[in-house]
Amino acid sequence: AQKITQTQPGMFVQEKEAVTLDCTYDTSDPSYGLFWYKQPSSGEMIFLIYQGSYDQQNATEGRYSLNFQKARKSANLVISASQLGDSAMYFCAMREGSRGNNRLAFGKGNQVVVIP
Amino acid sequence: DGGITQSPKYLFRKEGQNVTLSCEQNLNHDAMYWYRQDPGQGLRLIYYSQIVNDFQKGDIAEGYSVSREKKESFPLTVTSAQKNPTAFYLCASSINRATGELFFGEGSRLTVL
Repeated sequence: AQKITQTQPGMFVQEKEAVTLDCTYDTSDPSYGLFWYKQPSSGEMIFLIYQGSYDQQNATEGRYSLNFQKARKSANLVISASQLGDSAMYFCAMREGSRGNNRLAFGKGNQVVVIP
Repeated sequence: DGGITQSPKYLFRKEGQNVTLSCEQNLNHDAMYWYRQDPGQGLRLIYYSQIVNDFQKGDIAEGYSVSREKKESFPLTVTSAQKNPTAFYLCASSINRATGELFFGEGSRLTVL
C-alpha cells in the first residue's frame, strides 16, 4: 500500500500568490516524521521542512509552512509569496519509527510552475 | 564546502554491462542511501547503510549491489541482472539523530542503449 499520496495535477501559480500542496500519509506507527523536498529541473533534492508526529505546533521555515492535521493524516505544504524560483517538483516523504532509522518513503510529487 | 558528490553525472551503457556509480560525502554522516527515480515518479530506495561495513536492502534491491568500506563512500553497482536500469539515481546521507533529513547529491542519469 502506498504510504505517501500526492494526487494533485500540475499547478500554475501566479507570482506572489500562495500555493498549497496536498500530502496524505498512511502509518500505524505513533512515531514518525514528515518531510518536504523540492526538486528543480537540475535534479538535486533540496530539503525544505520537517514535522515530527509529536510536535504540537505546525512547522515553519521562512516562506514554507506545514499544515499538519494528524487525525486526518495530512501534511500539506504551504508556500507563501511564490517566486519564479519556486517552479519545481515538490515531494512529500515520511520516516516511520524512531530517528535512528532515517529511511524515507516518498510520494510521487507535485509539479508547480510559477508564472509572472 | 561540505556535501555529497556523485559521479558521473551522465552515463551510457550497453545492455549486459555492469556499471558503478560513485557517491562520496564529506559531511561525516553515518548513514548513506541510494534511491532510484523514474520519470514522473517519486524516489524508491535501493540500498542503505547506517554504518561502515554494513548495509541493508531497500524496496528495489534486485539487480543492484553496494559496498561500504569507508564512511565517506557508498558506490552502487548496477548489474546486468537489473532488467530496466535506465533511470536517475540519487545518493543521500544523514546523521542518525536530530530530524534525520537526508542530504542529496546532484544525481547520476544512467541510460542503457
